[in-house]
Amino acid sequence: RKEVEQDPGPFNVPEGATVAFNCTYSNSASQSFFWYRQDCRKEPKLLMSVYSSGNEDGRFTAQLNRASQYISLLIRDSKLSDSATYLCVVNTFTGGGNKLTFGTGTQLKVEL
Amino acid sequence: EPEVTQTPSHQVTQMGQEVILRCVPISNHLYFYWYRQILGQKVEFLVSFYNNEISEKSEIFDDQFSVERPDGSNFTLKIRSTKLEDSAMYFCAVTQGNGGQPQHFGDGTRLSIL
Repeated sequence: RKEVEQDPGPFNVPEGATVAFNCTYSNSASQSFFWYRQDCRKEPKLLMSVYSSGNEDGRFTAQLNRASQYISLLIRDSKLSDSATYLCVVNTFTGGGNKLTFGTGTQLKVEL
Repeated sequence: EPEVTQTPSHQVTQMGQEVILRCVPISNHLYFYWYRQILGQKVEFLVSFYNNEISEKSEIFDDQFSVERPDGSNFTLKIRSTKLEDSAMYFCAVTQGNGGQPQHFGDGTRLSIL
């Protein structure tokens, strides 16, 4: 099983649509969770952290289910500028240090 | 102001040569990380570094690789005897603490091995 698994997409959606991304992770010892956004050939940029209680930042809502090792991201009222690859990222502290494990990313294309 | 800057933005090197990639964080970052992303693949962890020591490293980070913070500001990744398969984007990341907070990435160095 992959450490962090995501549907690669692409998701092609019209402007204004709601789109949901899912992610599962295999290491139950992972401590913190994030969604990053990556534009073509650019660095990953933090979109939001993900908490068990669920958290929202404007049009973006993230959810974590530790029991089922599942993370989600919901984007409402999608904009053309939301077109990017969305990376599900899991942080694990191994005693030596932190390391991030990335999914392969889900590509989103928002169209007129 | 970006949390971290990387130089060079693009490095082209002949196979077998050594390269040094540089990362300059803003002053209050204490924990440093290198990741790489081969074209079309996922971002992969290489190494974490704190207090002038490696904290954690992956299987990728073998004897070909080394890291150091030679002058208290720059954080470098050295790759010796480069191979074609070392061609990738290399990202430096930083955090202020060790509590699992998000890591902030530099804009990367594209390494091309010919």
